[in-house]
Amino acid sequence: EAQVTQNPRYLITVTGKKLTVTCSQNMNHEYMSWYRQDPGLGLRQIYYSMNVEVTDKGDVPEGYKVSRKEKRNFPLILESPSPNQTSLYFCASSLSRGDRRGLAFFGQGTRLTVV
Amino acid sequence: QKEVEQNSGPLSVPEGAIASLNCTYSDRGSQSFFWYRQYSGKSPELIMFIYSNGDKEDGRFTAQLNKASQYVSLLIRDSQPSDSATYLCAVTSVRGGADGLTFGKGTHLIIQP
Repeated sequence: EAQVTQNPRYLITVTGKKLTVTCSQNMNHEYMSWYRQDPGLGLRQIYYSMNVEVTDKGDVPEGYKVSRKEKRNFPLILESPSPNQTSLYFCASSLSRGDRRGLAFFGQGTRLTVV
Repeated sequence: QKEVEQNSGPLSVPEGAIASLNCTYSDRGSQSFFWYRQYSGKSPELIMFIYSNGDKEDGRFTAQLNKASQYVSLLIRDSQPSDSATYLCAVTSVRGGADGLTFGKGTHLIIQP
């Protein structure tokens, strides 16, 4: 089954404790992206990657890092999480940057709480 | 700054009626337009995409685009309770693109049985 898999689904952590949210897709997609969703603010892009070893900042990259060492994986790293990073996070992928379907595949989401 | 505006709702529609969801965008260079459905606590699910002015139909869904008025809408015919969800409009200046999507905050739709 074609899918984007995120882990963990839920995470409660403390301020400053480094964490990684994993994202993996099994569709050989070139384009992957991370979004956060907050009430009243909607979905905002954090980082994206157009292919292996090619990443770039989205609209709200501060406090986050990403890497794309393999085509299938695109982890999101929070080096020193803060309470304002409490949010619902989505990883998404598409065949390419120019995929006519837009961002067609989203992961299940990761609900992160930083206390 | 690119903006995508949607009425947050809730929009309440009786079962079997037509639900009409609207979206306006600020960037005149926008090329690609998408509608997503999101159930509470779930991930967005792509419903429709449209690139050209006019209507595009897919089953009970019709997307309408008017670039001159910077307006895109989604009609849901024969509304069902299972259509109750938040509908997100997304826009990008990339032709046929997944990149650079700007999302609206969504319209909460309630279909009343």
